[in-house]
Order: sequence, then structure tokens, then C-alpha cells
Amino acid sequence: NAGVMQNPRHLVRRRGQEARLRCSPMKGHSHVYWYRQLPEEGLKFMVYLQKENIIDESGMPKERFSAEFPKEGPSILRIQQVVRGDSAAYFCASSFTGTAYYEQYFGPGTRLTVT
Amino acid sequence: GESVGLHLPTLSVQEGDNSIINCAYSNSASDYFIWYKQESGKGPQFIIDIRSNMDKRQGQRVTVLLNKTVKHLSLQIAATQPGDSAVYFCAENARRTDSWGKLQFGAGTQVVVTP
Repeated sequence: NAGVMQNPRHLVRRRGQEARLRCSPMKGHSHVYWYRQLPEEGLKFMVYLQKENIIDESGMPKERFSAEFPKEGPSILRIQQVVRGDSAAYFCASSFTGTAYYEQYFGPGTRLTVT
Repeated sequence: GESVGLHLPTLSVQEGDNSIINCAYSNSASDYFIWYKQESGKGPQFIIDIRSNMDKRQGQRVTVLLNKTVKHLSLQIAATQPGDSAVYFCAENARRTDSWGKLQFGAGTQVVVTP
């Protein structure tokens, strides 16, 4: 039973390029969450999505960042025109819809390095 | 703003001893709390959770205590083992508010188990 999958695990981009991070939730999960973790810090919420809907994007920077979770395929976190400050670990989590108190299962993360 | 934070950034514990990791939260609307363990280079791994209608919950070698009066959460690890060396995060969710789905993480405590 595969867990949350993220790819790539490591991504290097030059300033100004685009970064695309992918997340496949656990089987049966329809809720996806993205978090960012800077070195030596805790995880910061970015966005919460269900299939084809953004539920809460209060943690997303207003510019250059976008996220989607299409009807088919993985969730994508896109960062346009990356800057050095975007270097971080990006984690995706998923949860099962319908439970009263849910557990978010995390993927292994994508470590983005902007040079 | 509302936040979840940890008292000690690093905890050194001898193998076989018990560990106690503390966490303070400030959001009185929080009603679900989770402890995660994160090993180097990996995503957070669920350890144990507790709802606000409970004071204590036990798992395998772990116990979580919740004191709502002082907004304090703790994780106790019995007979700490080398494999317990990791960063531990507390996270909270205020399910009955519009921030439902957004876990707020503390900064983390590094637990180092010495032989």
C-alpha cells in the first residue's frame, strides 16, 4: 500500500526558472496539503486542496506560486521565476475524506535548491 | 498571531531513559493535536494524536498529555532508543473554525539519544 509519493525528491533550478513539484496522495485520499520547511524550522502551511478545488490558500505567497489538484493525476505545486529564498523542502500530505478527526500522512518531500 | 511553539530546541537523553518533549499552544480554538517525528531527510511521521476532549492518550511507548487550562501539550517516550533520535514537532488544528485542514506546526525539538 503505497504512501504519499512526491517527485522529484531533489530539484535544482536557476534563478528565474520554473519549478514543478508533484504529489500523488495515498490511495483513497482526496485531500491534499502542501507545506514548506526552511532549514532548522517547522513546517508552514501553504495550501489545502481537494479534487479540482482550492479549499484554503492562505499560506501561499501572493505571487509566483500556484497549486492545483486535477480530477486525474497528481497535485502540482508550481513556482514561477524562482528566487534563492524559495530554496526549501516542500512536503505534501494527504488525508482521507469523511473521517471525523483525520491524520495527515506526509510524503518524503521535494528539496528545492535555487542557484 | 496564533502559534504553536516548543520550549526546548534540543533534548539530550540517555538510552533507556524516558524523554519528555513539551509544547505550548496559544489558539484556544484548537481541538486536535498531533505529534510528528521527522528523521533527517524524511517527511514527518505520525506518532500519536489527541482530541481536546481528552487529557491523556497512550500508544506504544509514547504518551501524550494535554492540559487545556494552560494550553500545554507534552509527549513522553518511554525507554528511549537510538532510533528515537529525530526532530519532534507538535501540530494543532482548529477544526471548528475556518482554518480547518491547516495544521500549524511548532518549531521542533531535536532529540539526541546517547548510549
